Amino acid sequence: DAGVIQSPRHEVTEMGQEVTLRCKPISGHDYLFWYRQTMMRGLELLIYFNNNVPIDDSGMPEDRFSAKMPNASFSTLKIQPSEPRDSAVYFCASSLEGSEQFFGPGTRLTVL
Amino acid sequence: KQEVTQIPAALSVPEGENLVLNCSFTDSAIYNLQWFRQDPGKGLTSLLLIQSSQREQTSGRLNASLDKSSGRSTLYIAASQPGDSATYLCAVTTDSWGKLQFGAGTQVVVTP
Repeated sequence: DAGVIQSPRHEVTEMGQEVTLRCKPISGHDYLFWYRQTMMRGLELLIYFNNNVPIDDSGMPEDRFSAKMPNASFSTLKIQPSEPRDSAVYFCASSLEGSEQFFGPGTRLTVL
Repeated sequence: KQEVTQIPAALSVPEGENLVLNCSFTDSAIYNLQWFRQDPGKGLTSLLLIQSSQREQTSGRLNASLDKSSGRSTLYIAASQPGDSATYLCAVTTDSWGKLQFGAGTQVVVTP
């Protein structure tokens, strides 16, 4: 298996622009998680899905952030409009039945 | 609210020495505990998962113990090598959904 796949790996954008991050979980996994990592706050859980249904989005910082999972093999995290404080590394992870989580390589987002 | 602490924040050892990394958590009602490794600019690699009913888990040179009653886990890496240099993170789940709560990590440098 190729593992969790994320794209793009790097994204540089200007304040106010829309940003879309993509994730393909490991085939057969039924949980998908979105995390954000910054030097100041470490790793934070933003939202997670079970069988494509959002379970808990309490970690989403603001209404500017939204996430979807239209099918079992694809999820997006969208920021609109983006702000400089959104600059971070965004990770997607997946697991089977809520057990061991496997992380993707991350998307490094820079908002100028 | 669950808090996960890793002390020390940084550690430097000479090659060949055994590594001992500590993780403590405030709420003993956990489902499992997972240890990860993160290389600079990379994603997280899962090292070991310990279920709440287990006392330890082993994989090659790695051994992790879990003492739920005292809220502690220890990761042992035998005969350290320069390639073990990385940041090690522990994370606990307190529900069946697998929602992870991370510590801040211990940055390890193994000198040749």
